[in-house]
This record gives sequence, structure tokens and C-alpha cells, in this order.
Amino acid sequence: GAGVSQSPRYKVAKRGQDVALRCDPISGHVSLFWYQQALGQGPEFLTYFQNEAQLDKSGLPSDRFFAERPEGSVSTLKIQRTQQEDSAVYLCASSSVDEQYFGPGTRLTVT
Amino acid sequence: ELKVEQNPLFLSMQEGKNYTIYCNYSTTSDRLYWYRQDPGKSLESLFVLLSNGAVKQEGRLMASLDTKARLSTLHITAAVHDLSATYFCAVDFNDYKLSFGAGTTVTVRA
Repeated sequence: GAGVSQSPRYKVAKRGQDVALRCDPISGHVSLFWYQQALGQGPEFLTYFQNEAQLDKSGLPSDRFFAERPEGSVSTLKIQRTQQEDSAVYLCASSSVDEQYFGPGTRLTVT
Repeated sequence: ELKVEQNPLFLSMQEGKNYTIYCNYSTTSDRLYWYRQDPGKSLESLFVLLSNGAVKQEGRLMASLDTKARLSTLHITAAVHDLSATYFCAVDFNDYKLSFGAGTTVTVRA
């Protein structure tokens, strides 16, 4: 069956540009997560949705980061006025009961 | 503070020998996960450990969880080249978000 998909897979943005990263979770998965993985490090939690409700956004590094999941399925992570420190791989995961399934990630490079 | 510590961070393995990766965590949890990540790829789930004393095995890999010691181990038996990757443990401290260790980069040499 289809897993978690993310698009685009690669994004190059000039500093100051806005970007939008999309995540399509596994069908029927209620929970959706965004993580940020810097080069050579483990993923770090950004935000969590249960259906359309954003229950935890404590990991978002600044108010330039915004995530939404308006219909409880597809989610978008938006980064405004990108900075070089935003360069990372952004991973989306969806969850059934006990396990999170990760998408391939979007590699964002801010130049 | 929630901490997940893995060691070693780098592991050079000789083919055919056995090795162990350790994952310590700071606060009570009985939900721990092991993932594998190949360069440029996403995270592949290896094991889900959901109770004290849980032990799971798949091929040359075996994972265990001791919640009292706040310790999980990933044991590799008779390493082969295909096992070269980065291995992460992740702990679920609050029933949803995962806290990851820094990863152990494994290289298997002949």
C-alpha cells in the first residue's frame, strides 16, 4: 500500500523566500507529525496533529514556521522568510496506534 | 529534561563479528523504537518495543528494552556489509512525539 509521501523532495530557496512543504499521510491515519533533521543529527519534533487539530506545536523554532492540516488529511508546513539555519530535511510521519511511519522527507537548502 | 543518548556514535564493524549499540534515556517510558537510515533516505522502522523486558529479533538484529534501567540495546550478530547505515533509537515520553538519539553510524568492513 501507499506510504507517507512528501513533496517536493528537494527545495532550494533564497534567503527571505517563503516555502511550503506538503505531506500526504497514510490513508486513515489520524495522527501526523513533522520533524526537522539537521545534517548529521537525529530528527527533532516540530508539531503534531490529531485529525485537523494541532495539539502540540512546541517544537516549531520560531513564528516563521506554520503548519496546518485543514481537512485532517494532507498537511502543509510553511516557512516564511527562510534563513540559512532552516536548511535541513523536513520529515513527515503518520501514525496508527503504536508506530510512526515516515515519509521520504523534503531537503530544504536556503542559499 | 528529556534526553536520549546513544553510544557509540560511530562504530566500525568487522564482518562476522558481534556488536552492541546502547540507548539510554532520562525519564520513564515503556515505548522505544529503533530506526535505520541509509544516506539520503528516510527512516525505516526496525523494532517497536512496548514493554519492560521486550525482546525482538529480525535477521542479524536483536533489540531489547529494560525500562527500569532506562536502557535499550541493539545487538548485531555476525555483521555483514548490508548493515552499514545510521541507527537511531527514539523514545516516546508522552504518548505521541518521539525524542531521538543522535544516531550511531555503522560501517562494516571486510
